[in-house]
Amino acid sequence: NAGVMQNPRHLVRRRGQEARLRCSPMKGHSHVYWYRQLPEEGLKFMVYLQKENIIDESGMPKERFSAEFPKEGPSILRIQQVVRGDSAAYFCASSPPGQNYNEQFFGPGTRLTVL
Amino acid sequence: GDSVTQMEGPVTLSEEAFLTINCTYTATGYPSLFWYVQYPGEGLQLLLKATKADDKGSNKGFEATYRKETTSFHLEKGSVQVSDSAVYFCALYPSGGYQKVTFGTGTKLQVIP
Repeated sequence: NAGVMQNPRHLVRRRGQEARLRCSPMKGHSHVYWYRQLPEEGLKFMVYLQKENIIDESGMPKERFSAEFPKEGPSILRIQQVVRGDSAAYFCASSPPGQNYNEQFFGPGTRLTVL
Repeated sequence: GDSVTQMEGPVTLSEEAFLTINCTYTATGYPSLFWYVQYPGEGLQLLLKATKADDKGSNKGFEATYRKETTSFHLEKGSVQVSDSAVYFCALYPSGGYQKVTFGTGTKLQVIP
């Protein structure tokens, strides 16, 4: 049973370009979470999605950032017109369906560098 | 809202020394508490967890006890090894059905031979 997969592992973009980060949850998991880790800091929650629904995006910057989790395919975190301050590690986590406590399983992360 | 306060690093220890990394939290209800470890260039790996008060989580020689009276979940290891060098994160899963995890800022541990 493969774990959470993220790609690419490393992404380099120039200011103003778009960055697309992909996350494939573990098999059977229908909840996806995105976190951002700035250098020398802990992880900060960005967004929580279920299939075709954004449940909580309270941690997402209001502009340039968007996320989706379509019925088929991976979850995508999209950053438009990237700036240097977007350089960070972006982690995806997934958990199985259900309303009770469920541990999140983390992917290896995508390290975004904006030149 | 929920918060996690973790002792600042970096922490430098000699091999076989005793390790304590402090973690305290504020939360409503009955959260679950986790420790994650992150090796350089990698993602987070679950180290141990405790889901209710007085539970002790343990793994690979590491231990932490969920103490509700002091709202703490300190990580300990009796004898560290060079291979334990990593960043350690304390994390809080809130009670109830929604899992918006709150992380501490991380403590970098360096173990020297």
